[in-house]
Amino acid sequence: AQSVTQLDSHVSVSEGTPVLLRCNYSSSYSPSLFWYVQHPNKGLQLLLKYTSAATLVKGINGFEAEFKKSETSFHLTKPSAHMSDAAEYFCVVTTANDYKLSFGAGTTVTVRA
Amino acid sequence: GAGVSQSPSNKVTEKGKDVELRCDPISGHTALYWYRQSLGQGLEFLIYFQGNSAPDKSGLPSDRFSAERTGGSVSTLTIQRTQQEDSAVYLCASSLVQGKYEQYFGPGTRLTVT
Repeated sequence: AQSVTQLDSHVSVSEGTPVLLRCNYSSSYSPSLFWYVQHPNKGLQLLLKYTSAATLVKGINGFEAEFKKSETSFHLTKPSAHMSDAAEYFCVVTTANDYKLSFGAGTTVTVRA
Repeated sequence: GAGVSQSPSNKVTEKGKDVELRCDPISGHTALYWYRQSLGQGLEFLIYFQGNSAPDKSGLPSDRFSAERTGGSVSTLTIQRTQQEDSAVYLCASSLVQGKYEQYFGPGTRLTVT
């Protein structure tokens, strides 16, 4: 069984400042981890994925995440927030032995001008 | 190429009516998934298809829910005798194969039961 905990339900940042979204996971097997973004009234878009290759993963739109096994974390960062980053972000875990994705509760990001 | 498509984008139905939601996956993707996104429950897994077979239906909330996939492509999620608690966004996703491969999501169908 696997699960994820997103430690912040809401994050508010100023445009141009760094963004940090925190995610901890639990998995019985070697996990695959993903971050998805959902803009208002839109579907889920894959930002990046970790599947046991490099621990620092770069995604689209300047986002990156680091897999830390010792801390069971997969935090998402971006050096400089843009207004278009305002959305809901989901941390997701699965394993090769599974098929369904287990979603975190989501973090809503607000970007202030 | 085309992504995952879903229809209709919005559906309003009266309590007790049946509804059908359609998903057209990315061409060549053998695995197809249905999820439900609702305010109180977040994102929940409903059912998974590998080809035309559904090895796991355990996420379906009740026996009013059923799904099928034909030709290893299009899938239909049917909800019979809809209830107000069925109101949610129903998301479909597909992946090349099941497992570590990322899932690509459609835009969803927003179902409102009045």
